[in-house]
This record gives sequence, structure tokens and C-alpha cells, in this order.
Amino acid sequence: NAGVMQNPRHLVRRRGQEARLRCSPMKGHSHVYWYRQLPEEGLKFMVYLQKENIIDESGMPKERFSAEFPKEGPSILRIQQVVRGDSAAYFCASSPMGQGNTGELFFGEGSRLTVL
Amino acid sequence: GENVEQHPSTLSVQEGDSAVIKCTYSDSASNYFPWYKQELGKRPQLIIDIRSNVGEKKDQRIAVTLNKTAKHFSLHITETQPEDSAVYFCAAKTGGSYIPTFGRGTSLIVHP
Repeated sequence: NAGVMQNPRHLVRRRGQEARLRCSPMKGHSHVYWYRQLPEEGLKFMVYLQKENIIDESGMPKERFSAEFPKEGPSILRIQQVVRGDSAAYFCASSPMGQGNTGELFFGEGSRLTVL
Repeated sequence: GENVEQHPSTLSVQEGDSAVIKCTYSDSASNYFPWYKQELGKRPQLIIDIRSNVGEKKDQRIAVTLNKTAKHFSLHITETQPEDSAVYFCAAKTGGSYIPTFGRGTSLIVHP
């Protein structure tokens, strides 16, 4: 059973460009979470999605950031018009639904975004 | 919402010593407290968790204690080894939520 797959692992963008980060959850998992990690600041929750639904986006900046988890394909975190402050590691995690959900999150290896 | 405070931010110990990391939480409805370990450049991975119906849980050299009255929980690592060096995150989650709130992390350095 493959783990949570994120790509790209490293992404370099210039200010004003767009960044797209992709996440494929573990097989059988239907919950996807995105967290941002900055040095010395831990894991900050951004958004929680199920297939075709955004359940909680309380951690998402109001502008330039969006997320989706379509019926087919990976979840995508999109950052428009990137600024230097967006440089961070973005982690995706997944968990199963229902009785299989113990509370544990299964994390991907992260996507490290660098904005020049 | 939930707020999780974690201390210390950095912990340096000699191999063989014990290490203790402490966390406090604000929401008395929280009932699930996991600990994740993140090695340098790697993904966070669950190492141990505890639920509010128990006060202590142990797995070989690691143990977690929970004090619901004081709203704090701690990770204890005994006989530390260099491979224990990593960043450790505590988290708290209520039963009504799927979203854990993480602490800021503790960088544990074990010197050989």
C-alpha cells in the first residue's frame, strides 16, 4: 500500500508566478489535509477536504490560496501570485473514513516551495 | 478553537539520558493526543498516542502521560539514542473534529 504521495518535492517559483502542489492520499483514504510548516512554527493547519468537498478551510489565507480534491485525481493546493513569504514546506496528510479512522494522520514527504 | 503549547523548543541530552517534552491544551473537550516524530527532511510519523480515558501509555522506551484536570500531557523517552534526534510534535483533537491542532515542535538532539 503506497503511502501519501506528494509532488513536486521541490518547487522554485519567482514572485508573481503560480505554484501547484499535488497530493494523492493513501489507498482507501478519503480525507485530505494540508498543513504548512515554517521554521520554528510547527505544522499550521490550512484546509481539510473530502472528495469534491471543502470541509474546513479556516486555516487558508483569504487570498491567493485555494484547494480542491476532485472526484478523480489528486488533491491540489494552488497558490497564485506567490510572494517570498509563501516559501515553506507544505505537507499533505490523509486519513480513512468511518470506523477505520483512529485519529492518526498519514503524512506525505512534503513539497518544499521556494519563492525567489 | 484549540490552542496547544509545547515546551521546550529545543532539548539537548546525552545518549542514555531521559528526555521529557511537555504540552498543554486549552479545549477541555479534547480527547485524543498524538505525538509525531519528524526526522530531518522527512515526513512526520505517529509514534504514540493517548486517549482521554487513560492516564498513561507506554511503548518500549517511550511513554505518554495525560493529566486532564490540568490539561497537559507529556512525552517521556528513556535511554535516549542518537537516532532519537528529531523534531517531536504534540497535538490535540476533540471528538467532534477530524482536525488535530499541533504544537510548535521540540527539536531533540541526542549527543553520542
